Amino acid sequence: AQSVSQHNHHVILSEAASLELGCNYSYGGTVNLFWYVQYPGQHLQLLLKYFSGDPLVKGIKGFEAEFIKSKFSFNLRKPSVQWSDTAEYFCAVNSGGGADGLTFGKGTHLIIQP
Amino acid sequence: GAVVSQHPSRVICKSGTSVKIECRSLDFQATTMFWYRQFPKQSLMLMATSNEGSKATYEQGVEKDKFLINHASLTLSTLTVTSAHPEDSSFYICSAPKTSGGTYNEQFFGPGTRLTVL
Repeated sequence: AQSVSQHNHHVILSEAASLELGCNYSYGGTVNLFWYVQYPGQHLQLLLKYFSGDPLVKGIKGFEAEFIKSKFSFNLRKPSVQWSDTAEYFCAVNSGGGADGLTFGKGTHLIIQP
Repeated sequence: GAVVSQHPSRVICKSGTSVKIECRSLDFQATTMFWYRQFPKQSLMLMATSNEGSKATYEQGVEKDKFLINHASLTLSTLTVTSAHPEDSSFYICSAPKTSGGTYNEQFFGPGTRLTVL
């Protein structure tokens, strides 16, 4: 079975600070990795995904993530956060062709202070 | 991006009653949809996979007789919480994967349904 661990449950940063949110997964086979964001009162939105190829993935809104297979990690980064990045961030995995159900981490609540 | 809707967005019911939640893919067809449950301040937990034209697949620990799933068409899946009890109160979210030319594109999530059982 798959599992996902997000280390930071609550993160508070000032605007312009750099961000890194940790995500580790456990699964013995090939996985697909995702980061989703949920802004207050809104749907989950896909930030970025990794299926194969270049382990450094760039997503929307200036976010990127790096897949490190040896560490079973897929950490999310942004060099300079904005107040509008305040949201809940979820790391998720699935197997197969990518269209399977997702296993989510517990989420990280990110608050950006102006 | 594609749109997935859910109805109702919020429902309050008495213990013992059944509640139906609809999930629709508005601008694409989905042979598969997923149902998740999210408790307050917790993550989403996959409950079941809804398959158009066949039986749903439930995750371990999810009672299939409690959470009835019907995938009647390529754009509609319904989740019925039967004989609801207060412990069923939760946020239910559906998602649908969109494919293009047979290749998986992205999963799109509905806005969720807040169920409160009194």
